[in-house]
Amino acid sequence: DIQMTQSPSSLSASVGDRVTITCRASETISNYLNWYQQRPGKAPKLLIYAVSSLQSGVPSRFSGSGSGTEFALTISNVQPEDFVTYYCHQSYTTPYTFGHGTRLEIK
Amino acid sequence: QLQLQQSGPGLVKPSETLSLTCNVSGDSISGGRFYWDWIRQTPGKGLEWIGSLTYGGATAYNPSLKGRVTISVDTSTNQFSLKLTSLSATDTAIYYCARLVLWTYQYDSWGQGTLVTVSS
Repeated sequence: DIQMTQSPSSLSASVGDRVTITCRASETISNYLNWYQQRPGKAPKLLIYAVSSLQSGVPSRFSGSGSGTEFALTISNVQPEDFVTYYCHQSYTTPYTFGHGTRLEIK
Repeated sequence: QLQLQQSGPGLVKPSETLSLTCNVSGDSISGGRFYWDWIRQTPGKGLEWIGSLTYGGATAYNPSLKGRVTISVDTSTNQFSLKLTSLSATDTAIYYCARLVLWTYQYDSWGQGTLVTVSS
């Protein structure tokens, strides 16, 4: 299975900050890398697909980058509603796998 | 507007079989642009892909579940279902159904989740 190593596991930031979450795949996954946001008690919500494509309706402060095995999610100008948990997901090959999540906390 | 509505029990006994259903509204499950998947989430293992149902009815499963899983479809009711046999406490999780978009393979819509507890 492809292992997805997400870091950091938690991150403290202030409103207005720019933050970056990284995800490393154990082997190349081309551009089959997606990012989700999850609020407590809710299902994950798609933010970014295919490394850098913004899902419809998602604010433009969210962006994705990377290639091969190294990827990043950047939130510029963090807003109060962004302090939740984020997951990366590889869909290059089954079994699809996810990172263990990054919890964004208010500093 | 696409909606995935899950139904099924929240408590199942060890060694028994879990059956969950995902009712799809706002899209045809037989359309050719999506797969229909099950995913589960635990505090310990995080998000785990269980398996996929293709628009043609073929399936793919996570080998980690060792042949205990079956995903099936009922096109007449636009629903797909999950069966997981020989349950143990390690199968306690929140189970989600989700739509996988072809050919970029992302989950663009999820069910509300069902907390399944395996306990006697």
